[in-house]
Amino acid sequence: DAGITQSPRHKVTETGTPVTLRCHQTENHRYMYWYRQDPGHGLRLIHYSYGVKDTDKGEVSDGYSVSRSKTEDFLLTLESATSSQTSVYFCASTRGESTDTQYFGPGTRLTVL
Amino acid sequence: AQSVTQPDIHITVSEGASLELRCNYSYGATPYLFWYVQSPGQGLQLLLKYFSGDTLVQGIKGFEAEFKRSQSSFNLRKPSVHWSDAAEYFCAVGANAGKSTFGDGTTLTVKP
Repeated sequence: DAGITQSPRHKVTETGTPVTLRCHQTENHRYMYWYRQDPGHGLRLIHYSYGVKDTDKGEVSDGYSVSRSKTEDFLLTLESATSSQTSVYFCASTRGESTDTQYFGPGTRLTVL
Repeated sequence: AQSVTQPDIHITVSEGASLELRCNYSYGATPYLFWYVQSPGQGLQLLLKYFSGDTLVQGIKGFEAEFKRSQSSFNLRKPSVHWSDAAEYFCAVGANAGKSTFGDGTTLTVKP
């Protein structure tokens, strides 16, 4: 399995506070992704990165920002958390973009009170 | 726009019985299709993928899937289910692995 870790694994925060989730991969993969998973919605892409400092929006990017200063790290920031952002967040990476296998991290469960 | 429908939210099968999970997709060109499995509290793991060629694709853990262009389907099958197969299964479609659209998932329960 690819080495992808996420931190923290669980977090409870209050509405209006900033939150940063970290994804770290040891595979030297070029592409990295952030998804959220909600009951009845499968996975939805928030943001992705196609290289250091190169990022783009996914289908549910409002309220989220990302940064990638190193190949191995991809940060997801909720500038001002809202209850609608309570979810399980997954990070993933691929070596290339098209046909390569996507490897997922274990997830971060975020609760916004 | 691309989309994926997994018609069955929850399926229960007996251990040793055969399994088929349905996936229908909508996509404007030849799609890339994926099946993932998610065990409780875990991330997703790729079971198999289809890009081109043989329409019957073999994956890990004894799973296979068949691409049927005429029916816009990519159903997942396993001839004999094991208790360890209990999990949630996701079908995905897209132009590439990372920017795929996922279905809402099918939860598989295996009866002893």
